[in-house]
Amino acid sequence: GIQVEQSPPDLILQEGANSTLRCNFSDSVNNLQWFHQNPWGQLINLFYIPSGTKQNGRLSATTVATERYSLLYISSSQTTDSGVYFCAVGLLYTNAGKSTFGDGTTLTVKP
Amino acid sequence: NAGVTQTPKFRVLKTGQSMTLLCAQDMNHEYMYWYRQDPGMGLRLIHYSVGEGTTAKGEVPDGYNVSRLKKQNFLLGLESAAPSQTSVYFCASGRGTAQETQYFGPGTRLLVL
Repeated sequence: GIQVEQSPPDLILQEGANSTLRCNFSDSVNNLQWFHQNPWGQLINLFYIPSGTKQNGRLSATTVATERYSLLYISSSQTTDSGVYFCAVGLLYTNAGKSTFGDGTTLTVKP
Repeated sequence: NAGVTQTPKFRVLKTGQSMTLLCAQDMNHEYMYWYRQDPGMGLRLIHYSVGEGTTAKGEVPDGYNVSRLKKQNFLLGLESAAPSQTSVYFCASGRGTAQETQYFGPGTRLLVL
């Protein structure tokens, strides 16, 4: 099956710092999503971004499908950004909208 | 519009006991999914459904059964719980094409002693 690798596995920042999270995948995909899992375990959709660049406030994401990677940028980080960030991909030639998740990047933002 | 809801939120079972987790969605989505999340890992697909009356196996289906008798509900059953099934279970729904995002429920924490 498809392999999804996220880096770094852990990241500790001071409030106000910027960060870049990376997601590499091993096969062609036509579905890529970034999720934030907050400390209470809730999964929150951040971006649906199979290609191109999107921005939402302090967060932005870029996917280069031909090179099989996606990046999530967090600017001016806040303590509320803490949690685990997951990348999930769907294969190009599969159906049912199934997603394969990476193991996540755990972000801790210190005040 | 409640989105995706899961019942119960937390459950403790003894080895060998059975239980059913309920997922409900009010977005008229055709596709529904059950995932499990173990500590330090991403979500892994257990079973999924592409419509009412259909089910299919995902990545880690052993020890689980599912049913989709109504479009809005997707049930996950554990016939004989094992400690290895201690996990957080997430349900999701979507329109089913690979180009659509999935919407997740709040999760059910299951502890099997």
